Amino acid sequence: DQQVKQNSPSLSVQEGRISILNCDYTNSMFDYFLWYKKYPAEGPTFLISISSIKDKNEDGRFTVFLNKSAKHLSLHIVPSQPGDSAVYFCAASGWDSGYALNFGKGTSLLVTP
Amino acid sequence: GAGVSQTPSNKVTEKGKYVELRCDPISGHTALYWYRQSLGQGPEFLIYFQGTGAADDSGLPNDRFFAVRPEGSVSTLKIQRTERGDSAVYLCASSLGFQGDGYTFGSGTRLTVV
Repeated sequence: DQQVKQNSPSLSVQEGRISILNCDYTNSMFDYFLWYKKYPAEGPTFLISISSIKDKNEDGRFTVFLNKSAKHLSLHIVPSQPGDSAVYFCAASGWDSGYALNFGKGTSLLVTP
Repeated sequence: GAGVSQTPSNKVTEKGKYVELRCDPISGHTALYWYRQSLGQGPEFLIYFQGTGAADDSGLPNDRFFAVRPEGSVSTLKIQRTERGDSAVYLCASSLGFQGDGYTFGSGTRLTVV
C-alpha cells in the first residue's frame, strides 16, 4: 500500500525555468516530509524537509510547500539548472510509522539547456 | 570514513544461495538503517539500528532476512535461500540520531539473483 505517491514519473524543464515536483500522501499521521535527490549509481542525498507545523520551507533555489488539508506537498526549483537533472524522491515519516521513512516512487527531472 | 561505505557494490548469486551485504557507516553515527530499492520503486525500509540493537525490524520481509550490528558500527544484512524477487539495490544509511534530514546513504549494493 503506497502511502506516498509521486504520480509523475518524469518531468522535463528548460534551464532557467521553474521545476515543480508533486507528492501526495494518504497517512494523516505523517508529520515530517523530506525530499531526496538521487543520481545514477549513487545513494539518495537529502535536499530539504518540512514539518507539519509549517506550510513552506525555503533553502536557496529550493522551496517545499505543504498543504496538509489536501495531503499534498510540492518541491519548487527556481531557476532550474542542468545539474538538477536527477531522480527526486518524496519521503514522509510519522509517529505511527516508527523509524521508517516512506518513500514515493520518484520523479525523474531532466533540465535541458 | 568520509561517507557510508557498502560492499560489494554488485553481487550476483544463484537462487537458493546465502549472501551477506556489508555497511560501514560514518564514524560516530549511532543510527543505521537498511532500505531496499526495487526497479521503478522508491527505497523501502527494512530495519533500523540504534547502537548494537535493532530498534525496529518491522520492514524485514520474512525470516530469510536478518541483520546484525555487533559492535555498534559495521552492519551486515544477511539473506538466506535467496529468491529472484530479492533482486534489488540494498541501501544503507547512517545518522547521528533518528533524523531523516541527517541520513547519509551509501551507494548501495546491487543484488541480482539468477
